[in-house]
Amino acid sequence: RKEVEQDPGPFNVPEGATVAFNCTYSNSASQSFFWYRQDCRKEPKLLMSVYSSGNEDGRFTAQLNRASQYISLLIRDSKLSDSATYLCVVGRGSGGFKTIFGAGTRLFVKA
Amino acid sequence: GAVVSQHPSWVICKSGTSVKIECRSLDFQATTMFWYRQFPKQSLMLMATSNEGSKATYEQGVEKDKFLINHASLTLSTLTVTSAHPEDSSFYICSAGVGLPRYNEQFFGPGTRLTVL
Repeated sequence: RKEVEQDPGPFNVPEGATVAFNCTYSNSASQSFFWYRQDCRKEPKLLMSVYSSGNEDGRFTAQLNRASQYISLLIRDSKLSDSATYLCVVGRGSGGFKTIFGAGTRLFVKA
Repeated sequence: GAVVSQHPSWVICKSGTSVKIECRSLDFQATTMFWYRQFPKQSLMLMATSNEGSKATYEQGVEKDKFLINHASLTLSTLTVTSAHPEDSSFYICSAGVGLPRYNEQFFGPGTRLTVL
């Protein structure tokens, strides 16, 4: 079992739709949580950090459930430019930490 | 945000040759740099963590003698793929961290696409 698991998709949605991605992690020692976005053949870019209290950035809302070891990302009013792969990322460790990437969920937003 | 560059952005080489990839933090000093590898349609896999002035810490299954990492300064880390073979063809990405060892945001370089013929 992978340490960070995501539904690979693809998710095909029309413009304006709301889409939700889920991610689970297996290591309870994980300390930090992020969603990254990766466009084809490009490096990942930080989309947002994820906090237990939940956080929102414009059309994007992230939630963390530590008890269930579950992270979510909600995208409202999807735009064509949202088409990308969304990576769930978990960080752990203090003296020699690691970041573990999920395999990503592909999103296609169509006109 | 902080900028990380990588050079070269792509490279094609013959089997058996060595390839050096540079990762630079342009406007900040990076405590730690990370090297990842990504095969098509797969996730980024951490290869090693390097701290300036000390030996890199390699992940299980990554050959340290094949993937040589040098982190000579707070703004430069290099990855050398020695005696490259076609199975080493991949997308290599570095990232630099600030405010570590507590996890903070990593800033990724644009990646280097290596093709070994």
